[in-house]
Amino acid sequence: QVQLVESGGGVVQPGRSLRLSCAASGFTFINYGMHWVRQAPGKGLEWVAVTWYDGVNKYYGDSVKGRFTISRDNSKNTLYLQMNSLRAEDTAVYYCARGATARSGTPDHWGQGTLVTVSS
Amino acid sequence: DIQMTQSPSSLSASVGDRVTITCRASQGIRNDLGWYQQKPGKAPKRLIYAASSLQSGVPSRFSGSGSGTEFTLTISSLQPEDLATYYCLQHNSYPSTFGQGTRLEIK
Repeated sequence: QVQLVESGGGVVQPGRSLRLSCAASGFTFINYGMHWVRQAPGKGLEWVAVTWYDGVNKYYGDSVKGRFTISRDNSKNTLYLQMNSLRAEDTAVYYCARGATARSGTPDHWGQGTLVTVSS
Repeated sequence: DIQMTQSPSSLSASVGDRVTITCRASQGIRNDLGWYQQKPGKAPKRLIYAASSLQSGVPSRFSGSGSGTEFTLTISSLQPEDLATYYCLQHNSYPSTFGQGTRLEIK
């Protein structure tokens, strides 16, 4: 069955960097686009980024554009989110999610999430 | 960017009631919309894709409709386990955007 396991969350100071990972299994990773979605404490869902199946086409939410970078290693079935210049408002649970198709479609499987806390 | 306006933000209904949640897009998005259910402390779960297609394994009391700018999620007969927050998500153009969410309470 499809499994997505995020890791790399933790407490980080404002202005610092953090890299999240998402290990995928149970499906052919290269055939699917992959997303990051986040949820601040007590708030709604916010779409963060997507990478298409080949890792070439990438798109970002306005609040993270220029600071976050999504990437994937299809040889390792792993998705990444490099987060730079972190701010307090980036504090959230970060979910990785599988896209419904190689390029687009609403995410159909989600990980359990990893908590990132940006605080001094 | 496409804005998704979801309503109501919260609602309270009784077991057996018919419940309707609406999402309105700021511009036409064809049927490029999904609906999600999120229970407290859990990851979201997709209920509906392509505006009206039921995700495998999801009870048939859930249904979606709409196209263009107006979309609806309907629960035909509310059950206690439907206590959750519901979100719409458009993927017609990037950045994808969620609605603000609807918190559903059981009376």
